[in-house]
Amino acid sequence: QVQLQESGPGLVKPSQTLSLTCTVSGGSISSGSDYWSWIRQPAGKGLEWIGRIYTSGSTNYNPSLKSRVTISVDTSKNQFSLKLSSVTAADTAVYYCARESSSGWYFWGQGTLVTVSS
Amino acid sequence: QSVLTQPPSASGTPGQRVTISCSGSSSNIGISYVYWYQQLPGTAPKLLIYRNNQRPSGVPDRFSGSKSGTSASLAISGLRSEDEADYYCAAWDDSLSGQWVFGGGTKLTVL
Repeated sequence: QVQLQESGPGLVKPSQTLSLTCTVSGGSISSGSDYWSWIRQPAGKGLEWIGRIYTSGSTNYNPSLKSRVTISVDTSKNQFSLKLSSVTAADTAVYYCARESSSGWYFWGQGTLVTVSS
Repeated sequence: QSVLTQPPSASGTPGQRVTISCSGSSSNIGISYVYWYQQLPGTAPKLLIYRNNQRPSGVPDRFSGSKSGTSASLAISGLRSEDEADYYCAAWDDSLSGQWVFGGGTKLTVL
């Protein structure tokens, strides 16, 4: 059973870079034809797709965040990561990592709250 | 504003059938599969329906999905108290180099 776990600072100062890592267990991140995604959810609001990375390393990003987002993968550690630069209070949210297959996002991390505040 | 449009709320009594709509456009629902997710309070979303009308194993057949043109629907029959949750639709949008888009979510209340 694949499991995903987000990790990273829960508090980030405005204008700094938010960095999160998703550790995948129960399966290799480089096997299959899956994408590895980041999705976020501000408190009391809906879901927003941030972007994804394919096992080859190719990426797709939400156009509204593209200038600030970098998603990378470290196959040796079975991890993928999110960097979001120049954060503001509007980036405060629960951040989820998820595995995207042709059947959708079936496996999700539990989510991690990141607060942007000085 | 979400790219896909869902009603903010829906309700029903136990045993009833409820439907939740999801409206999009020719760049997303019109050309892509629709996916539905259920989110209970404080938890990660759970895949409910994939590829318009397919249920993952373990999802009761009380849940069904359909799509027509640029709209989709999620139907829940035999409503139960544990179905009270937020429901989101999602689809791939082919505009602007491609992106996943979500509906704003529908809060389902079981009266």
